[in-house]
Amino acid sequence: ETGVTQTPRHLVMGMTNKKSLKCEQHLGHNAMYWYKQSAKKPLELMFVYNFKEQTENNSVPSRFSPECPNSSHLFLHLHTLQPEDSALYLCASSQGSGQETQYFGPGTRLLVL
Amino acid sequence: AQSVTQLDSQVPVFEEAPVELRCNYSSSVSVYLFWYVQYPNQGLQLLLKYLSGSTLVKGINGFEAEFNKSQTSFHLRKPSVHISDTAEYFCAVSSLQGAQKLVFGQGTRLTINP
Repeated sequence: ETGVTQTPRHLVMGMTNKKSLKCEQHLGHNAMYWYKQSAKKPLELMFVYNFKEQTENNSVPSRFSPECPNSSHLFLHLHTLQPEDSALYLCASSQGSGQETQYFGPGTRLLVL
Repeated sequence: AQSVTQLDSQVPVFEEAPVELRCNYSSSVSVYLFWYVQYPNQGLQLLLKYLSGSTLVKGINGFEAEFNKSQTSFHLRKPSVHISDTAEYFCAVSSLQGAQKLVFGQGTRLTINP
């Protein structure tokens, strides 16, 4: 497995469910990101982690809870989501905290019913 | 804060024709500029980036872009497109101090017709 992988690729959940999205990078990078891509809206940065520490929270509602146990893994825990949270959630990684290229995973397509 | 405007949501082009995808940005500080491509059911892939130096930047797959500071633009061009270029293209900007915080435009869907 190379690059940035995300599981699951598709997820359907009810508003009362709890689920988690997983991201893994095999590039030896130290920074990881969560983005949200909604229909007809620009890609939005949600969270940034550098060396396992959260360095950016872009005013994301608390029903989204990120976790970065090590530099290779990033999770997004979901609970009591709303239908408007339905979107493609993309994970990315980069070398560090500078202007290095961000490498994206294929995303998890989430549908909240 | 930075913002990005991609002026065209959709661009249809015939195969082997030239194409230009327009991007304008707004920022009160110096910026880095990026173009990403997203093929169906895939994540974003970097096409090219402007960090400093020459304002004409060459990227992968024959694409290039020109940074125009006075017009705050970073338009993407390709002299001859192929069917395989059909994808969504995103322009993005970050400040020098907040280089990890990419701000994206809404995207331009490029459709290549035979």
